Amino acid sequence: EAGVAQSPRYKIIEKRQSVAFWCNPISGHATLYWYQQILGQGPKLLIQFQNNGVVDDSQLPKDRFSAERLKGVDSTLKIQPAKLEDSAVYLCASSLDHGSHEQYFGPGTRLTVT
Amino acid sequence: AQSVSQHNHHVILSEAASLELGCNYSYGGTVNLFWYVQYPGQHLQLLLKYFSGDPLVKGIKGFEAEFIKSKFSFNLRKPSVQWSDTAEYFCAVAGAGSYQLTFGKGTKLSVIP
Repeated sequence: EAGVAQSPRYKIIEKRQSVAFWCNPISGHATLYWYQQILGQGPKLLIQFQNNGVVDDSQLPKDRFSAERLKGVDSTLKIQPAKLEDSAVYLCASSLDHGSHEQYFGPGTRLTVT
Repeated sequence: AQSVSQHNHHVILSEAASLELGCNYSYGGTVNLFWYVQYPGQHLQLLLKYFSGDPLVKGIKGFEAEFIKSKFSFNLRKPSVQWSDTAEYFCAVAGAGSYQLTFGKGTKLSVIP
């Protein structure tokens, strides 16, 4: 079974630039999550989708972050404009919407904002 | 709001030593509890989870954790660590039925051969 795919794996941008991350969840997983993991901290949930609808985006800084999952499969997370404090690893996870709801994580995208 | 506290930032052990990593949570309701592990260069993966029933939970690779409701704790244990257990360990909590994870800051474990 293929795992959660993310790209790019690394990205370096200057502050005020924009950036986008892509995630392809495990086939059949209805629920998709984006997390931000700042160095030295645990992952923090940014947004949760169920199919193509947003379940919770209360911790997403909506003035600069946006995310979509238009066809209920893959998803993109965008930052525009980026700030220095956005430097982090952005993790995507997916799960079934029944049973244990175990979350499977992708490898993450490491973003450095200079 | 729920929160998770992991007591140790970095633990260094020799092979065959016993391991206990502390985890305390704050949540005003029924919880589901998790330990995730991230080996160097690999993805976060689930080590074990507690939903209900026996508070002593066994996971992969000889790890276990005990849920003590009165102490709001879910400590991770392993009787004898190996060099291959070198990794970062994250405790996480979700309110029952929400499935949204709140993670602790993680504990880095280094096992010296």
